Amino acid sequence: NAGVTQTPKFRVLKTGQSMTLLCAQDMNHEYMYWYRQDPGMGLRLIHYSVGEGTTAKGEVPDGYNVSRLKKQNFLLGLESAAPSQTSVYFCASSAGQGASGPQHFGDGTRLSIL
Amino acid sequence: GENVEQHPSTLSVQEGDSAVIKCTYSDSASNYFPWYKQELGKRPQLIIDIRSNVGEKKDQRIAVTLNKTAKHFSLHITETQPEDSAVYFCAASWGKLTFGTGTRLTIIP
Repeated sequence: NAGVTQTPKFRVLKTGQSMTLLCAQDMNHEYMYWYRQDPGMGLRLIHYSVGEGTTAKGEVPDGYNVSRLKKQNFLLGLESAAPSQTSVYFCASSAGQGASGPQHFGDGTRLSIL
Repeated sequence: GENVEQHPSTLSVQEGDSAVIKCTYSDSASNYFPWYKQELGKRPQLIIDIRSNVGEKKDQRIAVTLNKTAKHFSLHITETQPEDSAVYFCAASWGKLTFGTGTRLTIIP
């Protein structure tokens, strides 16, 4: 039982490049989330999903897209990376209570945009 | 939307003393208040949570109190130990979880 797994762990991109971050959970959770963490700003919600095939915008969605084609996977895409997107990205999942219940986090992806 | 303020941003206490971190929230509809601990380079981990129908919850050396009228909640750590050194985040939820900006707690041996 791995919990929430994020790949890759580290990545360096050039401005304008695209990439996809993968999040996988094996807890059969309905809800999944993508956050970014910047120094002094805590965790901010980018996008989230309340079930397979659904996505919704969070607090800072601009420049990102997401997809939830399978219940266990939640993908975060950057179509044209910008230096402002340099951050640590965390994926999380939660069970039936959604955001009103415990969220389980992955180990994070450290992304640098040059 | 929800706004969560957390104080202090840094806190140093002697080993064995108590530590208190305070948060305020803006949306009176918030009904779930978790606290996460994050060690350097690691994932945030839930250490305790409380719901709006409860005023206090305790788990060994950790306790959380909630004052719905004043819209603030606090984390209390007693008998602090070196392994308590970490960044602590409060959060409030009504549909979506909004995090505070974190408190870096340092336990001085």
